[in-house]
Amino acid sequence: AQKITQTQPGMFVQEKEAVTLDCTYDTSDPSYGLFWYKQPSSGEMIFLIYQGSYDQQNATEGRYSLNFQKARKSANLVISASQLGDSAMYFCAMRGGRDDKIIFGKGTRLHILP
Amino acid sequence: DGGITQSPKYLFRKEGQNVTLSCEQNLNHDAMYWYRQDPGQGLRLIYYSHIVNDFQKGDIAEGYSVSREKKESFPLTVTSAQKNPTAFYLCASSSNQPGQGTPGKPQHFGDGTRLSIL
Repeated sequence: AQKITQTQPGMFVQEKEAVTLDCTYDTSDPSYGLFWYKQPSSGEMIFLIYQGSYDQQNATEGRYSLNFQKARKSANLVISASQLGDSAMYFCAMRGGRDDKIIFGKGTRLHILP
Repeated sequence: DGGITQSPKYLFRKEGQNVTLSCEQNLNHDAMYWYRQDPGQGLRLIYYSHIVNDFQKGDIAEGYSVSREKKESFPLTVTSAQKNPTAFYLCASSSNQPGQGTPGKPQHFGDGTRLSIL
């Protein structure tokens, strides 16, 4: 069965520092996709970044990068130069498997301190 | 603009009542999903559908029902059998996985419906 684990329920980071949000996953399927979403207090889900299981390079999108370590089954999100507006809940998700489900981790609440 | 519309934004349910949450998308996506989110928690999959007239149970389908009569629409009914329905409900859609070896694209989400018990 597929599983996503986010072990950091909450984090406090000083503004302008880099932050790493942890995500590990488990799947027996060789083809899968990994995603990160941001959820502000208003509730909407904002797509941040995607990594395919066959991608050789780590994905990057502006200040976001995904540190993909396939052998360790980890897909950590790195936010460089954090901003106050980065304060939100962050979810790691995985898509794949024969039934092509998309499942989410429990999330990490990030607080950026001024 | 293309997107996903969920309605209503807030919904109140009386004891023993069924309520239906609407989800409509104009992105021409084949796949649609319903998730439940409890306060401070992650998203749990209720039902999903990859094609019209077909849908599958997710991890917490008990007490819920869905239909997929049109590609654009995937309504969720919270039945009276769901004893703890108070939560935030999110609908999402995506392109179907194009094939083995190409894990596919992310989901687009609606703005959610907050359901409470009266």
